[in-house]
Amino acid sequence: QVELLQSRGEVKKPGASVKVSCKASGYTFTSYGITWVRQAPGQGLEWMGWISPYSGNTNYAEKFQGRITMTTDTSSTTVYMEVGSLRSDDTAVYYCAKVGVPGTILGRGFYMDVWGKGTTVTVSS
Amino acid sequence: DIVMTQSPLSLPVTPGEPASISCRSSQSLLHSNGYNYLDWYLQKPGQSPQRLINLGSHRASGVPDRFRGSGSGTDYTLQISRVEAEDVGVYYCMQTLEAPYSFGQGTKLEIK
Repeated sequence: QVELLQSRGEVKKPGASVKVSCKASGYTFTSYGITWVRQAPGQGLEWMGWISPYSGNTNYAEKFQGRITMTTDTSSTTVYMEVGSLRSDDTAVYYCAKVGVPGTILGRGFYMDVWGKGTTVTVSS
Repeated sequence: DIVMTQSPLSLPVTPGEPASISCRSSQSLLHSNGYNYLDWYLQKPGQSPQRLINLGSHRASGVPDRFRGSGSGTDYTLQISRVEAEDVGVYYCMQTLEAPYSFGQGTKLEIK
C-alpha cells in the first residue's frame, strides 16, 4: 500500500535550519508530486509548496520563497524539505502528502490523496 | 492569492441529524474546462488530514455516500446527510485552481 514515512520530530533554535524527510513507498515514486503542508499548534492547514520527483520542478508559496528548499532522491524514494532561518512561528507539524494526479509541473487539481503522519518541528531558544 | 472562507467555524450536531459547511472563495474556482477546483479534507482528532472530495463533488474512494459536495464559482457546500460519531473533526476546504493553493480556516464538527 502507499505509505509516506516522515522523519522524527526536531527541536531547533531560532535562526537555525531543519531538514525534514518523507520516504515514499508502494507506488511509482517519479510519477506523482509531493506537497508539503504545515499546521501550527491549534491552527489550520497551510500549503507550503510542491515538488516533482521526476523533474525536480518546484512551486513554493511566495511566503516561503528564499527560506525553503525541496529536493528529492529517487534512489531512496525520499523527498526532503529544508526550512532555514527558523523563527518561533515556524513551530508546527509539517506534513508531506502524495498528489493524486501525475504531473511534472504543478497544475490545477493536484489534490493530496495520501498523507504522512507529520513531523513536529519546535523552534525555541 | 485566493482566499478561502468557511462557515461556521464550529458546528455542534446531534447524531443522525444533517450538517452543512459552507466555503467561499475570493475568486471563481470554476475553470473554462467545466471543473470546479475545490477539495474537502477532514482531519480527525490526532490524525493527518484525509481527502473526502475533490473537484467540488467527486468523493474519494471509501468515503461514505452520506458526504456530498456541491457548488460552483465562488460558493461551495459540504453536506453530511446523517452525522455519525466518527465524523467528528475539522473540515477544510481547499482550492487547487492556482498556486499558491490555499485552505479555509477549518470547521470543527462536534457531537452534541
